[in-house]
Amino acid sequence: GAVVSQHPSWVICKSGTSVKIECRSLDFQATTMFWYRQFPKQSLMLMATSNEGSKATYEQGVEKDKFLINHASLTLSTLTVTSAHPEDSSFYICSAREEDFGGYTFGSGTRLTVV
Amino acid sequence: AQTVTQSQPEMSVQEAETVTLSCTYDTSESDYYLFWYKQPPSRQMILVIRQEAYKQQNATENRFSVNFQKAAKSFSLKISDSQLGDAAMYFCAYRANDYKLSFGAGTTVTVRA
Repeated sequence: GAVVSQHPSWVICKSGTSVKIECRSLDFQATTMFWYRQFPKQSLMLMATSNEGSKATYEQGVEKDKFLINHASLTLSTLTVTSAHPEDSSFYICSAREEDFGGYTFGSGTRLTVV
Repeated sequence: AQTVTQSQPEMSVQEAETVTLSCTYDTSESDYYLFWYKQPPSRQMILVIRQEAYKQQNATENRFSVNFQKAAKSFSLKISDSQLGDAAMYFCAYRANDYKLSFGAGTTVTVRA
């Protein structure tokens, strides 16, 4: 089946630095990818939608200058958390839309801890 | 954005028994998709089952089945012959025409041996 590879699986960074998270669709082309944030024992909150070759669209309340999304190819989308602060610590998950299937494949998530 | 409501924060089931998770949603669209996802402790999101709104027949996948009531905007998940590996958080999700997924708050399922 379709696989989305997400890296890193966990990362610790210092406050004020930037962190990049990558999501790759391994065996299909993903024209649309979604980025979510999840706090412990809570639901997934959609942060932004990225479309290959165009600017990402962000959900209300999400700072686009802090969470930079790039979808430069049909198989790769990246999320960069800039000038990270402890409150950015969370679990970030990407998903890719499978056009043929009408469903979605999720990455394994990235646990970000900002110290 | 569409609202998806899961009213059961936690459910417990005896191994080999059946448990039903409830989900309701709010929409004005006539065509849409509904999903149930499982998130085990690894936090990997796993598709359990999906339903297309225009299909009246309830979807089934082995021990998992749904009761889709379009008029009532209800989409419950039944897990039959529960196994220890079914223990996880389960999310109901709605896909709108813009392909965005709206998730419910989730239901934590515990399976007792």
